[in-house]
Amino acid sequence: EVQLVESGGGLVQPGGSLRLSCAASGFSFSSDWMNWVRQAPGKGLEWVANIKQDGTEIYYVGSVKGRFTISRDNTKNSLYLQMNSLRVEDTAVYYCASGPHYAPHYDNWGQGTLVTVSS
Amino acid sequence: QSVLTQPPSASATPGQRVIISCSGRRSNIATNDVHWYQQLPGTAPKLLIYKDNQRPSGVPERFSGSKSGTSASLAISGLRSEDEADYYCATWDDSLRGHIFGGGTKLTVL
Repeated sequence: EVQLVESGGGLVQPGGSLRLSCAASGFSFSSDWMNWVRQAPGKGLEWVANIKQDGTEIYYVGSVKGRFTISRDNTKNSLYLQMNSLRVEDTAVYYCASGPHYAPHYDNWGQGTLVTVSS
Repeated sequence: QSVLTQPPSASATPGQRVIISCSGRRSNIATNDVHWYQQLPGTAPKLLIYKDNQRPSGVPERFSGSKSGTSASLAISGLRSEDEADYYCATWDDSLRGHIFGGGTKLTVL
Protein backbone atom coordinates (compact mmCIF):
# COMPACT_ATOMS: atom_id res chain seq x y z
CA GLU A 1 0.00 0.00 0.00
CA VAL A 2 1.32 3.41 -0.97
CA GLN A 3 1.80 5.74 1.99
CA LEU A 4 3.01 9.29 2.28
CA VAL A 5 3.22 10.62 5.82
CA GLU A 6 4.02 14.27 6.46
CA SER A 7 5.33 15.63 9.74
CA GLY A 8 6.98 18.72 11.15
CA GLY A 9 4.12 21.21 11.03
CA GLY A 10 3.29 23.51 13.90
CA LEU A 11 2.98 27.08 15.11
CA VAL A 12 5.79 29.47 14.24
CA GLN A 13 6.20 33.23 14.43
CA PRO A 14 6.56 35.38 11.33
CA GLY A 15 10.17 35.32 10.19
CA GLY A 16 10.73 31.90 11.72
CA SER A 17 11.70 28.57 10.19
CA LEU A 18 10.24 25.10 10.00
CA ARG A 19 11.30 21.86 8.33
CA LEU A 20 8.67 19.51 6.97
CA SER A 21 9.29 15.84 6.26
CA CYS A 22 7.43 13.30 4.16
CA ALA A 23 8.08 9.59 4.65
CA ALA A 24 7.22 7.42 1.66
CA SER A 25 6.53 3.71 1.48
CA GLY A 26 4.84 1.18 -0.77
CA PHE A 27 6.24 2.47 -4.06
CA SER A 28 9.55 3.17 -5.73
CA PHE A 29 10.22 6.60 -4.21
CA SER A 30 13.51 7.08 -6.05
CA SER A 31 11.70 6.67 -9.41
CA ASP A 32 9.23 9.53 -8.96
CA TRP A 33 9.28 13.29 -9.05
CA MET A 34 7.96 14.56 -5.74
CA ASN A 35 5.93 17.66 -4.99
CA TRP A 36 4.76 19.86 -2.15
CA VAL A 37 1.25 21.29 -2.51
CA ARG A 38 -0.38 23.55 0.08
CA GLN A 39 -3.87 24.64 0.99
CA ALA A 40 -4.55 27.72 3.10
CA PRO A 41 -7.49 27.40 5.51
CA GLY A 42 -10.74 27.46 3.57
CA LYS A 43 -8.88 28.10 0.31
CA GLY A 44 -7.86 26.17 -2.79
CA LEU A 45 -4.79 24.17 -3.69
CA GLU A 46 -1.44 25.70 -4.61
CA TRP A 47 1.60 23.88 -5.96
CA VAL A 48 4.71 24.91 -3.99
CA ALA A 49 7.73 23.02 -5.32
CA ASN A 50 8.94 19.81 -6.89
CA ILE A 51 12.15 17.84 -7.23
CA LYS A 52 13.43 15.36 -9.77
CA GLN A 53 14.16 11.76 -8.89
CA ASP A 54 17.89 12.36 -8.39
CA GLY A 55 17.53 15.89 -7.01
CA THR A 56 19.23 17.53 -9.98
CA GLU A 57 16.21 19.61 -11.00
CA ILE A 58 14.17 21.69 -8.59
CA TYR A 59 11.34 24.16 -9.20
CA TYR A 60 9.39 26.55 -6.99
CA VAL A 61 6.33 28.74 -7.23
CA GLY A 62 7.40 32.38 -7.30
CA SER A 63 6.06 33.30 -3.87
CA VAL A 64 8.42 30.91 -2.04
CA LYS A 65 11.59 31.26 -4.14
CA GLY A 66 14.56 32.16 -2.00
CA ARG A 67 12.73 31.21 1.22
CA PHE A 68 11.84 27.51 0.82
CA THR A 69 14.16 24.65 -0.09
CA ILE A 70 12.94 21.25 -1.26
CA SER A 71 15.21 18.24 -0.93
CA ARG A 72 15.05 14.47 -0.80
CA ASP A 73 16.97 11.50 0.55
CA ASN A 74 16.32 8.43 -1.55
CA THR A 75 18.21 6.22 0.93
CA LYS A 76 15.57 7.13 3.52
CA ASN A 77 12.60 7.37 1.11
CA SER A 78 12.03 10.87 2.42
CA LEU A 79 11.13 14.29 1.06
CA TYR A 80 11.77 17.55 2.88
CA LEU A 81 10.74 21.19 2.76
CA GLN A 82 12.88 23.70 4.64
CA MET A 83 10.83 26.84 5.13
CA ASN A 84 12.62 30.04 6.20
CA SER A 85 11.45 33.65 6.59
CA LEU A 86 7.91 32.40 7.06
CA ARG A 87 5.03 34.79 6.49
CA VAL A 88 1.47 34.81 7.74
CA GLU A 89 0.34 33.96 4.21
CA ASP A 90 2.33 30.71 4.33
CA THR A 91 -0.21 29.36 6.81
CA ALA A 92 -1.62 26.21 5.22
CA VAL A 93 -1.86 22.47 5.24
CA TYR A 94 1.16 21.17 3.35
CA TYR A 95 0.79 17.95 1.38
CA CYS A 96 3.49 15.89 -0.27
CA ALA A 97 2.45 14.19 -3.48
CA SER A 98 4.11 12.04 -6.13
CA GLY A 99 3.78 13.17 -9.71
CA PRO A 100 5.71 14.37 -12.79
CA HIS A 101 7.22 17.82 -13.29
CA TYR A 102 5.29 18.85 -16.38
CA ALA A 103 1.84 17.85 -15.15
CA PRO A 104 -0.04 18.15 -11.83
CA HIS A 105 -0.94 14.46 -12.09
CA TYR A 106 -0.52 13.41 -8.47
CA ASP A 107 -1.31 9.76 -7.98
CA ASN A 108 -0.55 9.70 -4.28
CA TRP A 109 -1.02 12.25 -1.51
CA GLY A 110 -0.14 12.37 2.15
CA GLN A 111 -2.63 13.38 4.83
CA GLY A 112 -1.01 16.80 5.19
CA THR A 113 0.63 18.72 8.01
CA LEU A 114 -0.61 22.10 9.24
CA VAL A 115 1.76 25.05 9.38
CA THR A 116 0.49 28.10 11.23
CA VAL A 117 2.47 31.33 11.02
CA SER A 118 1.25 33.76 13.64
CA SER A 119 2.52 36.05 16.35
CA GLN B 1 -7.28 34.83 -7.98
CA SER B 2 -6.67 31.50 -9.74
CA VAL B 3 -5.43 31.27 -13.31
CA LEU B 4 -8.06 28.58 -13.94
CA THR B 5 -11.65 29.69 -13.35
CA GLN B 6 -14.20 27.38 -11.77
CA PRO B 7 -17.67 28.21 -10.46
CA PRO B 8 -17.39 28.45 -6.65
CA SER B 9 -20.41 26.24 -6.13
CA ALA B 10 -22.73 23.78 -7.81
CA SER B 11 -25.70 21.78 -6.60
CA ALA B 12 -28.03 19.06 -7.77
CA THR B 13 -30.30 16.37 -6.39
CA PRO B 14 -29.43 12.68 -6.12
CA GLY B 15 -29.55 10.89 -9.43
CA GLN B 16 -29.08 14.04 -11.49
CA ARG B 17 -26.12 14.94 -13.68
CA VAL B 18 -23.93 17.90 -12.85
CA ILE B 19 -21.17 19.52 -14.90
CA ILE B 20 -18.34 21.54 -13.40
CA SER B 21 -16.43 23.82 -15.76
CA CYS B 22 -12.81 24.94 -15.72
CA SER B 23 -11.83 27.85 -17.92
CA GLY B 24 -8.26 28.71 -18.82
CA ARG B 25 -6.04 30.05 -21.59
CA ARG B 26 -4.06 28.91 -24.59
CA SER B 27 -0.95 28.70 -22.39
CA ASN B 28 -2.51 26.14 -20.07
CA ILE B 29 -5.66 24.13 -20.85
CA ALA B 30 -5.44 24.43 -24.64
CA THR B 31 -1.96 22.92 -24.80
CA ASN B 32 -1.67 20.70 -21.72
CA ASP B 33 -3.51 17.83 -20.07
CA VAL B 34 -6.15 18.65 -17.47
CA HIS B 35 -6.50 16.70 -14.24
CA TRP B 36 -9.34 16.71 -11.73
CA TYR B 37 -9.27 16.15 -7.97
CA GLN B 38 -11.99 15.38 -5.46
CA GLN B 39 -11.51 16.55 -1.90
CA LEU B 40 -13.95 15.18 0.64
CA PRO B 41 -14.38 17.25 3.82
CA GLY B 42 -11.35 17.03 6.08
CA THR B 43 -9.35 14.78 3.77
CA ALA B 44 -6.53 15.06 1.26
CA PRO B 45 -7.38 15.51 -2.43
CA LYS B 46 -7.79 12.38 -4.52
CA LEU B 47 -7.04 12.05 -8.24
CA LEU B 48 -10.36 11.69 -10.06
CA ILE B 49 -9.56 12.25 -13.75
CA TYR B 50 -6.14 12.50 -15.43
CA LYS B 51 -5.06 13.47 -18.94
CA ASP B 52 -8.38 15.17 -19.71
CA ASN B 53 -10.62 12.10 -19.61
CA GLN B 54 -8.87 9.10 -18.05
CA ARG B 55 -10.14 7.51 -14.85
CA PRO B 56 -7.73 5.95 -12.36
CA SER B 57 -8.50 2.45 -11.25
CA GLY B 58 -11.35 2.47 -8.76
CA VAL B 59 -13.02 5.70 -9.91
CA PRO B 60 -16.61 4.97 -11.00
CA GLU B 61 -17.68 5.48 -14.60
CA ARG B 62 -20.14 8.09 -13.31
CA PHE B 63 -17.22 10.51 -13.38
CA SER B 64 -16.02 11.72 -16.78
CA GLY B 65 -13.82 14.50 -18.10
CA SER B 66 -13.68 16.40 -21.36
CA LYS B 67 -11.83 19.31 -22.89
CA SER B 68 -12.39 21.70 -25.77
CA GLY B 69 -10.09 24.60 -26.58
CA THR B 70 -9.37 26.59 -23.44
CA SER B 71 -12.04 24.94 -21.30
CA ALA B 72 -12.43 21.61 -19.56
CA SER B 73 -15.37 19.98 -17.80
CA LEU B 74 -16.02 17.35 -15.19
CA ALA B 75 -19.34 15.56 -15.41
CA ILE B 76 -20.86 13.51 -12.63
CA SER B 77 -23.89 11.44 -13.49
CA GLY B 78 -26.18 9.53 -11.16
CA LEU B 79 -25.26 11.92 -8.37
CA ARG B 80 -24.93 10.43 -4.88
CA SER B 81 -24.76 12.02 -1.46
CA GLU B 82 -21.16 10.85 -1.07
CA ASP B 83 -20.16 12.95 -4.09
CA GLU B 84 -20.59 16.07 -1.95
CA ALA B 85 -17.06 17.49 -1.99
CA ASP B 86 -14.77 20.14 -3.40
CA TYR B 87 -13.56 19.57 -6.95
CA TYR B 88 -10.41 21.08 -8.45
CA CYS B 89 -9.07 21.19 -11.99
CA ALA B 90 -5.31 21.40 -12.56
CA THR B 91 -2.89 21.70 -15.43
CA TRP B 92 0.57 22.94 -16.45
CA ASP B 93 0.97 26.54 -17.59
CA ASP B 94 3.56 27.17 -20.32
CA SER B 95 3.96 30.86 -19.41
CA LEU B 96 4.20 30.44 -15.63
CA ARG B 97 6.24 27.25 -16.04
CA GLY B 98 4.46 25.57 -13.18
CA HIS B 99 1.44 23.61 -11.97
CA ILE B 100 -1.77 25.59 -11.59
CA PHE B 101 -5.13 24.83 -10.01
CA GLY B 102 -8.62 26.16 -10.36
CA GLY B 103 -10.16 27.83 -7.34
CA GLY B 104 -12.32 24.80 -6.66
CA THR B 105 -16.04 24.07 -6.87
CA LYS B 106 -18.02 23.06 -3.82
CA LEU B 107 -20.62 20.50 -4.88
CA THR B 108 -23.71 20.20 -2.74
CA VAL B 109 -26.05 17.23 -3.13
CA LEU B 110 -29.48 18.53 -2.16
